Amino acid sequence: QVQLQESGPGLVKPSQTLSLTCTVSGFPISGNYYWVWIRQAPGKGLEYVGSVSHTGSASYNPSLKSRVTISLDTSKNQFSLKVNSVTAADSAVYYCASPQLEFSFDVWGQGTMVTVSS
Amino acid sequence: DIQMTQSPSTLSASVGDRVTITCRASQTITRYLAWYQHKPGKAPKLLIYKVSSLGSGFPSRFSGSGSGTEFTLTISSVQPDDFASYYCQAYDGSSWTFGQGTKLEIK
Repeated sequence: QVQLQESGPGLVKPSQTLSLTCTVSGFPISGNYYWVWIRQAPGKGLEYVGSVSHTGSASYNPSLKSRVTISLDTSKNQFSLKVNSVTAADSAVYYCASPQLEFSFDVWGQGTMVTVSS
Repeated sequence: DIQMTQSPSTLSASVGDRVTITCRASQTITRYLAWYQHKPGKAPKLLIYKVSSLGSGFPSRFSGSGSGTEFTLTISSVQPDDFASYYCQAYDGSSWTFGQGTKLEIK
Protein backbone atom coordinates (compact mmCIF):
# COMPACT_ATOMS: atom_id res chain seq x y z
CA GLN A 1 0.00 0.00 0.00
CA VAL A 2 1.46 3.32 -1.10
CA GLN A 3 1.69 6.00 1.58
CA LEU A 4 2.78 9.62 1.27
CA GLN A 5 4.04 12.02 3.94
CA GLU A 6 4.82 15.71 3.48
CA SER A 7 7.53 17.47 5.45
CA GLY A 8 9.06 20.92 5.53
CA PRO A 9 8.96 24.31 7.25
CA GLY A 10 5.57 25.60 8.29
CA LEU A 11 6.65 29.24 8.05
CA VAL A 12 8.44 30.95 5.17
CA LYS A 13 9.32 34.62 4.81
CA PRO A 14 8.07 36.63 1.84
CA SER A 15 10.37 36.58 -1.20
CA GLN A 16 12.09 33.42 0.02
CA THR A 17 11.80 29.86 -1.29
CA LEU A 18 9.21 27.39 -0.03
CA SER A 19 10.63 23.85 0.04
CA LEU A 20 8.64 20.70 0.78
CA THR A 21 9.41 17.01 0.53
CA CYS A 22 7.07 14.08 0.07
CA THR A 23 8.34 10.74 1.32
CA VAL A 24 6.84 7.76 -0.45
CA SER A 25 6.58 4.35 1.20
CA GLY A 26 5.32 1.09 -0.22
CA PHE A 27 6.34 1.74 -3.84
CA PRO A 28 9.48 2.88 -5.69
CA ILE A 29 8.85 6.31 -7.23
CA SER A 30 10.99 5.35 -10.22
CA GLY A 31 8.75 2.38 -10.92
CA ASN A 32 5.65 4.05 -12.35
CA TYR A 33 3.03 6.77 -11.87
CA TYR A 34 3.04 10.53 -11.55
CA TRP A 35 3.86 12.30 -8.31
CA VAL A 36 1.93 15.50 -7.77
CA TRP A 37 1.64 18.57 -5.56
CA ILE A 38 -1.76 20.13 -4.88
CA ARG A 39 -2.52 23.05 -2.59
CA GLN A 40 -5.48 24.72 -0.93
CA ALA A 41 -5.23 28.30 0.25
CA PRO A 42 -7.43 29.29 3.21
CA GLY A 43 -11.04 29.59 2.09
CA LYS A 44 -10.17 28.54 -1.45
CA GLY A 45 -10.45 25.41 -3.54
CA LEU A 46 -7.95 22.76 -4.57
CA GLU A 47 -5.25 23.90 -6.98
CA TYR A 48 -2.95 21.66 -9.03
CA VAL A 49 0.60 22.92 -8.56
CA GLY A 50 2.56 20.50 -10.71
CA SER A 51 3.73 16.96 -11.23
CA VAL A 52 6.75 14.81 -11.98
CA SER A 53 6.68 11.48 -13.76
CA HIS A 54 8.53 8.41 -12.59
CA THR A 55 11.16 9.24 -15.22
CA GLY A 56 11.70 12.72 -13.79
CA SER A 57 9.81 14.74 -16.39
CA ALA A 58 8.03 17.67 -14.72
CA SER A 59 4.92 19.63 -15.65
CA TYR A 60 3.53 22.72 -13.95
CA ASN A 61 0.38 24.78 -13.57
CA PRO A 62 0.87 27.64 -16.07
CA SER A 63 -0.07 30.18 -13.38
CA LEU A 64 2.88 29.04 -11.25
CA LYS A 65 5.29 27.71 -13.86
CA SER A 66 7.89 30.46 -13.57
CA ARG A 67 8.32 29.94 -9.83
CA VAL A 68 7.92 26.19 -9.29
CA THR A 69 10.31 23.23 -9.51
CA ILE A 70 9.33 19.63 -8.78
CA SER A 71 11.92 16.87 -8.79
CA LEU A 72 12.53 13.24 -7.81
CA ASP A 73 15.12 11.85 -5.41
CA THR A 74 15.04 8.15 -6.16
CA SER A 75 17.78 7.34 -3.63
CA LYS A 76 15.49 8.53 -0.83
CA ASN A 77 12.21 7.61 -2.55
CA GLN A 78 11.09 11.21 -2.22
CA PHE A 79 9.88 13.98 -4.47
CA SER A 80 10.15 17.66 -3.69
CA LEU A 81 8.53 21.02 -4.37
CA LYS A 82 10.23 24.38 -4.50
CA VAL A 83 8.33 27.65 -4.95
CA ASN A 84 10.46 30.74 -5.41
CA SER A 85 9.69 34.34 -4.49
CA VAL A 86 6.74 33.45 -2.28
CA THR A 87 4.07 35.90 -1.17
CA ALA A 88 1.16 35.61 1.23
CA ALA A 89 -0.88 34.19 -1.67
CA ASP A 90 1.29 31.06 -1.49
CA SER A 91 0.10 30.34 2.06
CA ALA A 92 -1.82 27.09 1.83
CA VAL A 93 -2.14 23.49 2.87
CA TYR A 94 0.13 21.61 0.50
CA TYR A 95 -0.70 18.01 -0.35
CA CYS A 96 1.40 15.48 -2.16
CA ALA A 97 -0.64 12.95 -4.09
CA SER A 98 -0.39 10.31 -6.78
CA PRO A 99 -2.99 9.58 -9.48
CA GLN A 100 -2.75 5.81 -9.52
CA LEU A 101 -6.33 5.02 -10.54
CA GLU A 102 -7.33 6.19 -14.01
CA PHE A 103 -5.44 9.48 -13.55
CA SER A 104 -7.46 10.19 -10.41
CA PHE A 105 -5.86 10.98 -7.06
CA ASP A 106 -6.47 7.89 -4.94
CA VAL A 107 -3.34 8.34 -2.84
CA TRP A 108 -2.80 11.47 -0.74
CA GLY A 109 -0.53 12.69 1.99
CA GLN A 110 -2.13 14.21 5.06
CA GLY A 111 -1.22 17.74 3.98
CA THR A 112 1.03 20.33 5.56
CA MET A 113 0.19 23.98 6.25
CA VAL A 114 2.70 26.54 5.02
CA THR A 115 2.33 30.18 6.04
CA VAL A 116 4.18 32.97 4.27
CA SER A 117 4.77 35.74 6.75
CA SER A 118 7.57 37.91 8.04
CA ASP B 1 -5.34 23.57 -20.39
CA ILE B 2 -8.88 22.53 -19.58
CA GLN B 3 -10.96 24.91 -17.45
CA MET B 4 -13.58 23.36 -15.16
CA THR B 5 -16.63 25.38 -14.10
CA GLN B 6 -18.41 23.84 -11.13
CA SER B 7 -21.83 24.84 -9.82
CA PRO B 8 -23.29 25.68 -7.47
CA SER B 9 -20.57 26.97 -5.16
CA THR B 10 -22.79 26.36 -2.14
CA LEU B 11 -25.68 23.95 -1.80
CA SER B 12 -28.03 23.82 1.18
CA ALA B 13 -29.82 20.54 1.73
CA SER B 14 -31.66 18.54 4.35
CA VAL B 15 -31.03 14.91 5.26
CA GLY B 16 -32.82 12.76 2.72
CA ASP B 17 -32.68 15.30 -0.10
CA ARG B 18 -31.48 14.42 -3.59
CA VAL B 19 -28.76 16.82 -4.72
CA THR B 20 -26.83 17.33 -7.94
CA ILE B 21 -23.56 19.14 -8.59
CA THR B 22 -22.48 20.03 -12.11
CA CYS B 23 -19.10 20.49 -13.75
CA ARG B 24 -18.66 21.92 -17.22
CA ALA B 25 -15.36 21.58 -19.07
CA SER B 26 -13.94 24.06 -21.57
CA GLN B 27 -13.22 21.19 -23.96
CA THR B 28 -14.29 17.61 -24.42
CA ILE B 29 -13.12 15.15 -21.79
CA THR B 30 -12.82 11.56 -22.93
CA ARG B 31 -13.12 9.69 -19.65
CA TYR B 32 -10.73 11.06 -17.02
CA LEU B 33 -13.21 12.94 -14.87
CA ALA B 34 -13.20 12.44 -11.10
CA TRP B 35 -14.99 13.75 -8.03
CA TYR B 36 -13.60 14.20 -4.52
CA GLN B 37 -15.15 14.62 -1.10
CA HIS B 38 -13.19 16.95 1.17
CA LYS B 39 -13.74 17.53 4.86
CA PRO B 40 -11.88 20.15 6.95
CA GLY B 41 -8.53 19.02 8.29
CA LYS B 42 -8.47 15.90 6.15
CA ALA B 43 -7.04 15.00 2.76
CA PRO B 44 -9.60 14.81 -0.04
CA LYS B 45 -11.00 11.38 -0.79
CA LEU B 46 -11.56 9.98 -4.27
CA LEU B 47 -15.33 9.62 -4.59
CA ILE B 48 -15.87 8.93 -8.30
CA TYR B 49 -13.32 8.16 -11.01
CA LYS B 50 -13.55 7.71 -14.76
CA VAL B 51 -16.88 9.62 -14.78
CA SER B 52 -19.03 7.02 -13.02
CA SER B 53 -16.93 4.47 -11.11
CA LEU B 54 -17.48 4.59 -7.36
CA GLY B 55 -14.43 5.08 -5.16
CA SER B 56 -13.47 2.62 -2.47
CA GLY B 57 -15.59 2.77 0.66
CA PHE B 58 -18.30 5.09 -0.66
CA PRO B 59 -21.95 4.00 -0.64
CA SER B 60 -24.10 3.63 -3.72
CA ARG B 61 -26.11 6.78 -2.98
CA PHE B 62 -23.27 8.59 -4.73
CA SER B 63 -23.24 8.43 -8.51
CA GLY B 64 -21.50 10.21 -11.36
CA SER B 65 -22.57 10.67 -14.93
CA GLY B 66 -22.01 12.75 -18.02
CA SER B 67 -20.05 12.95 -21.20
CA GLY B 68 -18.34 15.43 -23.46
CA THR B 69 -18.18 18.67 -21.51
CA GLU B 70 -20.92 18.26 -18.89
CA PHE B 71 -20.71 16.01 -15.86
CA THR B 72 -22.76 15.58 -12.71
CA LEU B 73 -22.38 14.18 -9.23
CA THR B 74 -25.63 13.07 -7.59
CA ILE B 75 -26.30 12.10 -4.00
CA SER B 76 -29.62 10.29 -4.02
CA SER B 77 -30.41 10.77 -0.33
CA VAL B 78 -28.10 13.05 1.61
CA GLN B 79 -26.89 11.66 4.92
CA PRO B 80 -25.32 13.56 7.85
CA ASP B 81 -21.82 12.32 6.94
CA ASP B 82 -22.15 13.79 3.43
CA PHE B 83 -21.95 17.44 4.48
CA ALA B 84 -18.57 18.40 3.04
CA SER B 85 -17.00 20.07 0.02
CA TYR B 86 -16.97 18.36 -3.35
CA TYR B 87 -14.60 18.95 -6.26
CA CYS B 88 -14.54 17.74 -9.82
CA GLN B 89 -11.20 17.13 -11.52
CA ALA B 90 -10.21 16.49 -15.11
CA TYR B 91 -7.06 15.14 -16.74
CA ASP B 92 -6.33 16.20 -20.31
CA GLY B 93 -3.35 14.00 -21.05
CA SER B 94 -0.71 16.26 -19.58
CA SER B 95 -2.21 18.22 -16.69
CA TRP B 96 -4.86 18.06 -14.00
CA THR B 97 -7.50 20.72 -13.29
CA PHE B 98 -9.96 21.05 -10.41
CA GLY B 99 -13.32 22.73 -10.36
CA GLN B 100 -13.85 25.56 -7.89
CA GLY B 101 -15.67 23.30 -5.43
CA THR B 102 -19.17 22.98 -3.97
CA LYS B 103 -19.83 23.22 -0.25
CA LEU B 104 -22.78 21.06 0.78
CA GLU B 105 -24.34 22.64 3.86
CA ILE B 106 -27.10 21.63 6.21
CA LYS B 107 -30.33 23.54 5.53
